[in-house]
Amino acid sequence: ILNVEQSPQSLHVQEGDSTNFTCSFPSSNFYALHWYRWETAKSPEALFVMTLNGDEKKKGRISATLNTKEGYSYLYIKGSQPEDSATYLCAFIGNTGKLIFGQGTTLQVKP
Amino acid sequence: GAVVSQHPSRVICKSGTSVKIECRSLDFQATTMFWYRQFPKQSLMLMATSNEGSKATYEQGVEKDKFLINHASLTLSTLTVTSAHPEDSSFYICSAPGRGWADTQYFGPGTRLTVL
Repeated sequence: ILNVEQSPQSLHVQEGDSTNFTCSFPSSNFYALHWYRWETAKSPEALFVMTLNGDEKKKGRISATLNTKEGYSYLYIKGSQPEDSATYLCAFIGNTGKLIFGQGTTLQVKP
Repeated sequence: GAVVSQHPSRVICKSGTSVKIECRSLDFQATTMFWYRQFPKQSLMLMATSNEGSKATYEQGVEKDKFLINHASLTLSTLTVTSAHPEDSSFYICSAPGRGWADTQYFGPGTRLTVL
C-alpha cells in the first residue's frame, strides 16, 4: 500500500511568521509530486508540479523542494499572511499515473 | 487557468434514493476525469477514472454498480450514487488533468453528500 504522509496535520502561526510543512512519499517508482492549495468552499488549486530530484520551485512567497531519493518534499511559506490560510495537499504520482494524496496540512494565519 | 465546475455543491437525500453529481470542464476538453471521495479527517481517495466514450475504471473496493460513471462528452462526466445509504455520506470531488496524465489536475469545488 502506497502511503503519503503530511506533517504537521495543522498549524497556527502569526502573520509575518515563516513556516514549512513536510510531505513524505515512497522513494521508488517516482514520477511526480504535486502541491495544491485548498481554501474552504473552493477548488484545490495547483501550486507546483515537481519531477526531478533536487527540484526547487517558487511562486511568490511560497517555495518547495523535492528529494526523491529519500522520499520527501518541503513546502515553505515566507512571511505568512492571513490569505495563506488554507489546507495544503501533496500528491504522489508513481508509475500507475494515479495521484495518491496526503491528508493535508491545515494552516491558520492569525492577523 | 482551466476551470472545472461541479454540481450540486451540497445534497441531502433519503436512504435508498439515487443522486447524480455532474463534473464539467468549462474551457477545455477532458477525455479523462477522476472522481475522488474524502471521508472526515482522511485524504482524498481515488474512486474511479472516467474515460470519454468508454467504460470507467474503478479502484479496488469501489462498487461499479453502486457508483455509476458516465462520460458522454469531452466536457461532462457524471457520477451517480445509486440507492444511497448513510455510509455513502461523504465529500465527492472530480478533477481533470492538464496536458498530460501526470500534469496539474484541475479540480471542481466538490459535492457534500449527506444520506439520511
